[in-house]
Amino acid sequence: EDQVTQSPEALRLQEGESSSLNCSYTVSGLRGLFWYRQDPGKGPEFLFTLYSAGEEKEKERLKATLTKKESFLHITAPKPEDSATYLCAVPYGGSQGNLIFGKGTKLSVKP
Amino acid sequence: EPEVTQTPSHQVTQMGQEVILRCVPISNHLYFYWYRQILGQKVEFLVSFYNNEISEKSEIFDDQFSVERPDGSNFTLKIRSTKLEDSAMYFCATKDRGQSPLHFGNGTRLTVT
Repeated sequence: EDQVTQSPEALRLQEGESSSLNCSYTVSGLRGLFWYRQDPGKGPEFLFTLYSAGEEKEKERLKATLTKKESFLHITAPKPEDSATYLCAVPYGGSQGNLIFGKGTKLSVKP
Repeated sequence: EPEVTQTPSHQVTQMGQEVILRCVPISNHLYFYWYRQILGQKVEFLVSFYNNEISEKSEIFDDQFSVERPDGSNFTLKIRSTKLEDSAMYFCATKDRGQSPLHFGNGTRLTVT
């Protein structure tokens, strides 16, 4: 069965304290791995798509990397506005839009 | 930046009533989806819709659910007879082509009493 597992469930950081979030997946034939950010009461906001092992994408203080079994979201020198829940998802079934989501990592960055 | 718009933002209904949730996709998008998120749980796929028909649906999407694109702009999710366990955030998501990412709306919070 295709699965997506994220760790940790929650992460508290001080402003400027870098860290990484993990997403491990078991799918047959990966067709992309997606990272989203979700603020309370809002819909997921797209961050990155990764397609192959070794690929990296960056946006401001975030960098996503991919291996054959897992993906990491590295957060460098985070700020309070980076506080959110970070979700990863992989496609399943016939369409790349049918996504299995992980439970997410709730990140809190304190000033 | 274009966005997916959902209405209403919050809907309260009594068990057994019908509800219709509405979504206005980004204008050039061709693929449409509904997801739901029960409080504290994962975002779950419900149904995908392309070329005016359902492409795929999950086990959650039973006979009580239906989708349509009645006027070429709105995309709707109907729940025929709501149950308490239908209480959740319902997200519409759209994309323009096969390999592009999904863009989500801000959801409709459905509360069934």
